[in-house]
Amino acid sequence: GEDVEQSLFLSVREGDSSVINCTYTDSSSTYLYWYKQEPGAGLQLLTYIFSNMDMKQDQRLTVLLNKKDKHLSLRIADTQTGDSAIYFCAEKAAGNKLTFGGGTRVLVKP
Amino acid sequence: DVKVTQSSRYLVKRTGEKVFLECVQDMDHENMFWYRQDPGLGLRLIYFSYDVKMKEKGDIPEGYSVSREKKERFSLILESASTNQTSMYLCASTSPGRGYNSPLHFGNGTRLTVT
Repeated sequence: GEDVEQSLFLSVREGDSSVINCTYTDSSSTYLYWYKQEPGAGLQLLTYIFSNMDMKQDQRLTVLLNKKDKHLSLRIADTQTGDSAIYFCAEKAAGNKLTFGGGTRVLVKP
Repeated sequence: DVKVTQSSRYLVKRTGEKVFLECVQDMDHENMFWYRQDPGLGLRLIYFSYDVKMKEKGDIPEGYSVSREKKERFSLILESASTNQTSMYLCASTSPGRGYNSPLHFGNGTRLTVT
């Protein structure tokens, strides 16, 4: 079955770059997503990458995909206090069913 | 903007009660989902629906049922609530066929406590 894993916690200083890592097991994944969850809120889509790409950049966000190793990362440049949240990676294989990782809590220190 | 609305932010229920969690979306999405979120476990899919009156079991359907009588509304039902169903419940919707990217749009969640 599918399995998506992330580290639980990341602490970073304001202005530094954050890198959140994710590994997955389903080689038939078509799309991989990063969602952000702020306290008391639902999940908000941040960015996504198609499985035949290896990089996607969107303003401060850079997604890297190593399909061979089934490794996905999200880099946030110039991390701000508003970036403190839980970040989930998710993979989509067949249909519209997503499998989520356990979430990485990012704490940005001033 | 897509809006997914969950009727309650917080609920407290007693063991054995029947509980209804309601979710409404306003974008005419065909697909709707119920997840539960627990610390360290991420989001786990309970049930989903591809169309009115259609439902499919997710990864953890035991103890739950769902109802999709209208396209915009997807209800999660706990027939007899138990303390291990204390969790955050998230509803999501999406529409297939919108090109290659059909992300899930989430509601703000319902935090259910069963005592």
